Amino acid sequence: ETGVTQTPRHLVMGMTNKKSLKCEQHLGHNAMYWYKQSAKKPLELMFVYNFKEQTENNSVPSRFSPECPNSSHLFLHLHTLQPEDSALYLCASSQTEGGNYGYTFGSGTRLTVV
Amino acid sequence: KNEVEQSPQNLTAQEGEFITINCSYSVGISALHWLQQHPGGGIVSLFMLSSGKKKHGRLIATINIQEKHSSLHITASHPRDSAVYICAVSPRSTGNQFYFGTGTSLTVIP
Repeated sequence: ETGVTQTPRHLVMGMTNKKSLKCEQHLGHNAMYWYKQSAKKPLELMFVYNFKEQTENNSVPSRFSPECPNSSHLFLHLHTLQPEDSALYLCASSQTEGGNYGYTFGSGTRLTVV
Repeated sequence: KNEVEQSPQNLTAQEGEFITINCSYSVGISALHWLQQHPGGGIVSLFMLSSGKKKHGRLIATINIQEKHSSLHITASHPRDSAVYICAVSPRSTGNQFYFGTGTSLTVIP
């Protein structure tokens, strides 16, 4: 374990389902991130939360909805997804005060949309 | 065009070989990171560099800021080194965001 825990590790969902991905860190970091990793593409940043406030939303479709209830937990709510949304979703955290330190990734959730 | 380019995309080596993976970037950066991703998906940070050279075990990372280029070397490679190695840069302009390369998939054959 890296200190960033993601659940579930694998998820298969239909296009009409609603599901949520969870990320938890107890590293004392103040920033958390959602990334999407598709085959043969660079990691794509989806959302950034600093001190629980969303600071970046990189043109992500509204069928992805993030929630950050506190600085240790981050959720990604999924609804009416498309097959092209199948990918590895990675959570990361870091400490941004005074720089950007301790960047740590979780193990990811492998999502398959059928 | 991606801000971070890696080469090669795929690499197969015999156990014991010396391996080099290259990364070139096109933006001013505050730091460059080398990451390792095993088939299970999780990503581990290997190095964070802003200048010079760092060594950890059999891994060596170098960076040339003037040439906007970094290399990751693996000495005496081993099958457990098989993974995807990703170069990522922290641009000076964007605070806590990164630009990522597409990764180099390394397979070390016994």
